[in-house]
Amino acid sequence: AQRVTQPEKLLSVFKGAPVELKCNYSYSGSPELFWYVQYSRQRLQLLLRHISRESIKGFTADLNKGETSFHLKKPFAQEEDSAMYYCARFSSGTYKYIFGTGTRLKVLA
Amino acid sequence: NAGVTQTPKFRVLKTGQSMTLLCAQDMNHEYMYWYRQDPGMGLRLIHYSVGEGTTAKGEVPDGYNVSRLKKQNFLLGLESAAPSQTSVYFCASSWDKLSYEQYFGPGTRLTVT
Repeated sequence: AQRVTQPEKLLSVFKGAPVELKCNYSYSGSPELFWYVQYSRQRLQLLLRHISRESIKGFTADLNKGETSFHLKKPFAQEEDSAMYYCARFSSGTYKYIFGTGTRLKVLA
Repeated sequence: NAGVTQTPKFRVLKTGQSMTLLCAQDMNHEYMYWYRQDPGMGLRLIHYSVGEGTTAKGEVPDGYNVSRLKKQNFLLGLESAAPSQTSVYFCASSWDKLSYEQYFGPGTRLTVT
């Protein structure tokens, strides 16, 4: 079965420190991977998708097929980055999304 | 565009009662999804639909039913609510094979006592 694993439930960093939120996926063909973010009292929204290779709000994520990882990184964390982050994978065979269990990021002043 | 809307925003049910959650989207999306979000378990897919008139089971379908009679609406029904169904329910929709981004509704907080 396809799986998405986010090993950290909570990650606390100080403002200005680098951030890396980990995501690993089970290998199966060519994955379609995403990072979604949920700020306090807001709905889930797309942050990044791997095919676009873009930087959003200073975040980047690189697909590493050898390590089956799609870690989310930001060089300097800001307090407004505090949120719940979900890694997700789209299954083109079933049109389903598989979400990780999420990592809560807390950026401390 | 309103995007994805959910009705109601909050609801308290007693065990055994029934209710229907409504999801509506105005983006002409083909695919629609119902998730539940529980602490420590992330998002789990309940049911989904890849087009009008079609539905399929997700990861945790037991105790729920769905219907997609109109393309813009996706209904989630609880026939006999149980305390284990206390959760936050999110609806989402996505466009088609060219764009897999999911658009989420604001959520419905359901408490079953």
